[in-house]
Amino acid sequence: DAKTTQPNSMESNEEEPVHLPCNHSTISGTDYIHWYRQLPSQGPEYVIHGLTSNVNNRMASLAIAEDRKSSTLILHRATLRDAAVYYCILMNYGQNFVFGPGTRLSVLP
Amino acid sequence: NAGVTQTPKFRVLKTGQSMTLLCAQDMNHEYMYWYRQDPGMGLRLIHYSVGEGTTAKGEVPDGYNVSRLKKQNFLLGLESAAPSQTSVYFCASRPLEGRIADTQYFGPGTRLTVL
Repeated sequence: DAKTTQPNSMESNEEEPVHLPCNHSTISGTDYIHWYRQLPSQGPEYVIHGLTSNVNNRMASLAIAEDRKSSTLILHRATLRDAAVYYCILMNYGQNFVFGPGTRLSVLP
Repeated sequence: NAGVTQTPKFRVLKTGQSMTLLCAQDMNHEYMYWYRQDPGMGLRLIHYSVGEGTTAKGEVPDGYNVSRLKKQNFLLGLESAAPSQTSVYFCASRPLEGRIADTQYFGPGTRLTVL
C-alpha cells in the first residue's frame, strides 16, 4: 500500500486559514488522494478526495501538486469545531484504506 | 437514515470472556469493515467484507472472527478476550460503485476494555 507522510501536529487560530500538508512521493498514477478527519471521541468522517485536479467542496479545498507527490488540505476559516486528527490516505480501486497517525490540528480561540 | 450504527457503545470484559460487536448499516452498501484504534494511533483494519456471505482478513485479524449473514449487518466476535484487545472498535461501510465509490462511512465506535 502506498504511504503518506504528515506532520504530527499543527496549530491554527480561529477564523484563519489552515494548510495541512501531505507527502506521498510513491503515489501511482491511479491512486486517489483522500482526506478524512476524526473529531474527538467520534469515528472518522470523509472530507474530500481528488485525483489530479484541485477540488473544492463545502468543507475544504484540496490542492494537488503538479507531480502529485504532495497535496494540501485547506480549511479556509478554521473554527473550534475543526479541531481533529486529519488523515491523508492514498486509495486505489480494490484496495483497503491504510490509516497513518495523521495530523492533530488544534484551533486556538 | 441512521447510517452506520454500532452496538454496544461501551463494554468491559474479563480475560477469557467472549463477546460479539454488532455493526448495522441502512445504506445498502456492499462493503463493510472492522477497524481497531489504539491510543494515539491511526485505525488498523481487522476484517472486511465485500458482500453478503463473504469475509476477508485485514492487517490485524488474529483473535477475531467475523460474519456477514445479512447485507446490512457485520458482526465482530472475540472468542477469548485478552488485555491486548483493549481498544476502540470502528465499523465502516461503503458502496460498491458510484461517484463516491471509495468514500467510507464510519460508525461512532465501541470502547472495549479487557481486564
